[in-house]
Amino acid sequence: AQKITQTQPGMFVQEKEAVTLDCTYDTSDPSYGLFWYKQPSSGEMIFLIYQGSYDQQNATEGRYSLNFQKARKSANLVISASQLGDSAMYFCAMRPMDTGRRALTFGSGTRLQVQP
Amino acid sequence: DGGITQSPKYLFRKEGQNVTLSCEQNLNHDAMYWYRQDPGQGLRLIYYSQIVNDFQKGDIAEGYSVSREKKESFPLTVTSAQKNPTAFYLCASSILGTENTEAFFGQGTRLTVV
Repeated sequence: AQKITQTQPGMFVQEKEAVTLDCTYDTSDPSYGLFWYKQPSSGEMIFLIYQGSYDQQNATEGRYSLNFQKARKSANLVISASQLGDSAMYFCAMRPMDTGRRALTFGSGTRLQVQP
Repeated sequence: DGGITQSPKYLFRKEGQNVTLSCEQNLNHDAMYWYRQDPGQGLRLIYYSQIVNDFQKGDIAEGYSVSREKKESFPLTVTSAQKNPTAFYLCASSILGTENTEAFFGQGTRLTVV
C-alpha cells in the first residue's frame, strides 16, 4: 500500500518569494514515480512536475523544482518567484512503476495563497 | 485537440436515483480512472481500468459501478447504494509504461443530492 502525507493544510507566501510545500510518502514498491499537481478553484488538475525514484537529480520545470530525498522519503515542491496565479491547491501523488495498481495515490493537499 | 471530456459539469440527483457520469478521451490512452474529491480533501480512487473490458475496484468502490466497452469511454454510475454521493468527480487517463506517464484529468463533474 502507498501513502502520501502533506502536513501543511494552508500556506501563505508573498509575491516574488519562494515557497516549499512538504510531501512525505511511504511505499514498499522498489520503483515508483512522484508527481505534483495544481488544482485552481475551477477544479481541473494540472500536472506540474515528476520525479522517478531512480532519478539521480532533482527534477525542475521552470519555476517548479522537486527536492527529492529518497532516504527520508520526502518529495517537497519548491516554487520560486511566486505569482498571484500560483494561488491554488497543490497535491502530491505517487504510483508504482512496475507492477500492480498503476493509479495515482494522492495526499490531502496544501492550499497556497500568494499575497501581493 | 486531444483531451478528456467529462459531462455534465453539474449534476443533481434525487435520493434513491442512479446517475451516470460520462468520461471520454481521445488521447489513445489504455488506462482510465475515476476519483472522488470531497471539499478540502485529496482525491480518492473509485475504479480504474487498464484495458478494455476489464476494470478494478479502487479504495472506495462501494455504491459505484463502471464499464469499459470502448477504449475511449469509461462511464461511472453512482447507484442508490452510495449513501453520500455529493462530491466532485474527476476522470483521468494515462498511458501504461514505466517512465514518466502523468495522468491527464477532465474538468470534473460536481454531483449534488437534492
